[in-house]
Amino acid sequence: AQKITQTQPGMFVQEKEAVTLDCTYDTSDPSYGLFWYKQPSSGEMIFLIYQGSYDQQNATEGRYSLNFQKARKSANLVISASQLGDSAMYFCAMREGNSGYSTLTFGKGTMLLVSP
Amino acid sequence: SAVISQKPSRDICQRGTSLTIQCQVDSQVTMMFWYRQQPGQSLTLIATANQGSEATYESGFVIDKFPISRPNLTFSTLTVSNMSPEDSSIYLCSVLYPSGNTIYFGEGSWLTVV
Repeated sequence: AQKITQTQPGMFVQEKEAVTLDCTYDTSDPSYGLFWYKQPSSGEMIFLIYQGSYDQQNATEGRYSLNFQKARKSANLVISASQLGDSAMYFCAMREGNSGYSTLTFGKGTMLLVSP
Repeated sequence: SAVISQKPSRDICQRGTSLTIQCQVDSQVTMMFWYRQQPGQSLTLIATANQGSEATYESGFVIDKFPISRPNLTFSTLTVSNMSPEDSSIYLCSVLYPSGNTIYFGEGSWLTVV
């Protein structure tokens, strides 16, 4: 079974609107972390936001917020007030356990296109 | 945030040759990781680069094809050996900072094998 599922291959949004990118995960480890990265066409992976499994509140970073629903095992990324520069590939990833040796598992990604 | 520099950023390589990618971090980190991203695909972990010991490789990746060095806590290299067109990918290094949970990535190295 896939550990990280991103069901939206592509999403379209108009500038200044909000958009939600879906991510569900599968783990039996009580300790885990969820990450979102943005990959523009240049190829770099830009860290956006992190949510720990024990965090009581949803993570926020500027225009990015993570809608963490633990019981449903979902960690959706919400981008408010979309900008043209938000057009990119977005990856959800999970790190299980809290050992320094645990690594990231990535979803397949969602391509976001922001139109004027 | 972290400053992670990768070299080269892009290269076009002849099949059968080898290329070494460097990853330099602006501070000491315990864990460094190397990922491959084939065209149109997600990221796949190649190996974890351990300082002072051999790298730990994931299933499907072997040391002869992807030798890794980690001479100190701020630097690592990944070599892609005996390249074929199937090795055309973005190769990314990433680091886990000891002070937190965040994992940062370098800018990536685009390799095209012809």
